[in-house]
Amino acid sequence: GENVEQHPSTLSVQEGDSAVIKCTYSDSASNYFPWYKQELGKRPQLIIDIRSNVGEKKDQRIAVTLNKTAKHFSLHITETQPEDSAVYFCAASQAGGGNKLTFGTGTQLKVEL
Amino acid sequence: DVKVTQSSRYLVKRTGEKVFLECVQDMDHENMFWYRQDPGLGLRLIYFSYDVKMKEKGDIPEGYSVSREKKERFSLILESASTNQTSMYLCASSAPDRTPYEQYFGPGTRLTVT
Repeated sequence: GENVEQHPSTLSVQEGDSAVIKCTYSDSASNYFPWYKQELGKRPQLIIDIRSNVGEKKDQRIAVTLNKTAKHFSLHITETQPEDSAVYFCAASQAGGGNKLTFGTGTQLKVEL
Repeated sequence: DVKVTQSSRYLVKRTGEKVFLECVQDMDHENMFWYRQDPGLGLRLIYFSYDVKMKEKGDIPEGYSVSREKKERFSLILESASTNQTSMYLCASSAPDRTPYEQYFGPGTRLTVT
């Protein structure tokens, strides 16, 4: 089955700096890669996703890049703010959107003032 | 606005008890999922369902079973609870043919087995 590895497990940045979280996946058949954000005590929510036919996608301060050859995808957050502090999960799916996901182990991002 | 609800936020059970966790979604989603969340291990899929009365094992199904008798309801059953099943349990639902393909999560049930 699919295996998703995520690094780092914790990340601390200064407000205004950029943050990068990296994930690798094992199954070349995977074709959908979402990122979820989970604030303390709350449920995970989708923040951005990318399909395998696209190399990069941006939404305001967040972007995701995908390298299919290397089976690697990353989340980039620019101009970090305290409200970006949360746990971020990457995931991969072989069956397209809305279906079974394999999640990474999560990255605790802390944005310090 | 999608709403996924779970029957309890906190639950304490004794070893050997049969435990039922219920999840209800109100958006007519075909897919429903049960995950457990443990520190450092992320979200691990226990079971999922693509349709009523249909179920498929996820990555860690041992010690669990599920039931989906109605489209909006997906139940997770611990036949004989054990201490290693102490965890946060999250339910989710999604519609595979509707963008943005998001899995909508419930608030979670923190289960403690003593």
